[in-house]
Amino acid sequence: DAKTTQPNSMESNEEEPVHLPCNHSTISGTDYIHWYRQLPSQGPEYVIHGLTSNVNNRMASLAIAEDRKSSTLILHRATLRDAAVYYCILRITGFQKLVFGTGTRLLVSP
Amino acid sequence: KAGVTQTPRYLIKTRGQQVTLSCSPISGHRSVSWYQQTPGQGLQFLFEYFSETQRNKGNFPGRFSGRQFSNSRSEMNVSTLELGDSALYLCASSFTGGEYPGELFFGEGSRLTVL
Repeated sequence: DAKTTQPNSMESNEEEPVHLPCNHSTISGTDYIHWYRQLPSQGPEYVIHGLTSNVNNRMASLAIAEDRKSSTLILHRATLRDAAVYYCILRITGFQKLVFGTGTRLLVSP
Repeated sequence: KAGVTQTPRYLIKTRGQQVTLSCSPISGHRSVSWYQQTPGQGLQFLFEYFSETQRNKGNFPGRFSGRQFSNSRSEMNVSTLELGDSALYLCASSFTGGEYPGELFFGEGSRLTVL
């Protein structure tokens, strides 16, 4: 399974943008980049995914490097509710299996 | 629309016993996956079912098994429980089982404690 590397933790202030990096140098052409987050005492929650182009949705933006070996999840204005563990995951087309790494614990201060 | 429902939410068992956990996916979802979450190993994939067939299996011993019913509800069973099986067991459902890797919707989990 292809592997992702993320910082263990990051800190942000409320209402500031947050850039969460992810390295995936062994990504293959059919791997989608998915981001999930897990709030305390909850199951993981889907955030966003992409293949090659940058993606935006109501929760976040995903910036994918041209060589696809890295990506960045962007939260435009962090709120206290965004404090969670964020997982960057590579997912093979057609497979429902997610291989979770250790993720990045995001701390948001008021 | 109702989310993924897992029962029971909490349970305590002793070593050697067996346990069955249940998962009701979102209506219309045909793919159900199971994950184990522990502080030491993090989130690990157990298996995935689609239309009553197991399509993918993680690296767990044969004591871990599952099945899916015609209404897409799924159960997982762990036999001969060990202390290390203490974990949060998460179920996730997905609408698509095909090529497009749609998002997974997770339940809140069943927390199993083995004494």
